[in-house]
Amino acid sequence: GEDVEQSLFLSVREGDSSVINCTYTDSSSTYLYWYKQEPGAGLQLLTYIFSNMDMKQDQRLTVLLNKKDKHLSLRIADTQTGDSAIYFCAEKSGGSYIPTFGRGTSLIVHP
Amino acid sequence: DTAVSQTPKYLVTQMGNDKSIKCEQNLGHDTMYWYKQDSKKFLKIMFSYNNKELIINETVPNRFSPKSPDKAHLNLHINSLELGDSAVYFCASMGAANTGELFFGEGSRLTVL
Repeated sequence: GEDVEQSLFLSVREGDSSVINCTYTDSSSTYLYWYKQEPGAGLQLLTYIFSNMDMKQDQRLTVLLNKKDKHLSLRIADTQTGDSAIYFCAEKSGGSYIPTFGRGTSLIVHP
Repeated sequence: DTAVSQTPKYLVTQMGNDKSIKCEQNLGHDTMYWYKQDSKKFLKIMFSYNNKELIINETVPNRFSPKSPDKAHLNLHINSLELGDSAVYFCASMGAANTGELFFGEGSRLTVL
């Protein structure tokens, strides 16, 4: 099975909060990431969190990590139409060269 | 300046042809990657090079051959193209070891007819 799982679609109304969830299986994960992919573009790192942290906030973005349940979430406050994109969760252990990506969650923001 | 650049951005070709995609990064990173993204947006690692040496080669057909002339370049050559090779191919490089951030190119959309 997949090492990183996330739901495929999320639809929200403009101005609401969006919460994108991710679960992973590797207990040695050291770094956890959220990447954003806009149409026709490559992935860009939005934010990351170390496994020894529970939460990280960066302007409208809040990342929550439950290491016991191996659950990562990304909350986007006051979601805008420009936030419509695919959001990828990824994890990497300290000694690995390869981050493992989830299948991506398509966030659709409608007026 | 574009940090990770790949060419061409679009490639349309016939089955059986051979094609190459080039990638260059100007970030001074040691590690570079090729990923394949299918029509369902699933991102799959293909190869990884660290300082010109192959370190990861996932289950990829022998028709795919990466070449790294120096640590700033990682090119992908594909022989005998098949319909199933149609996808978007992303080159990436890895940043400082303490964050492991990947820097992606814009992607090269390959369509095999």
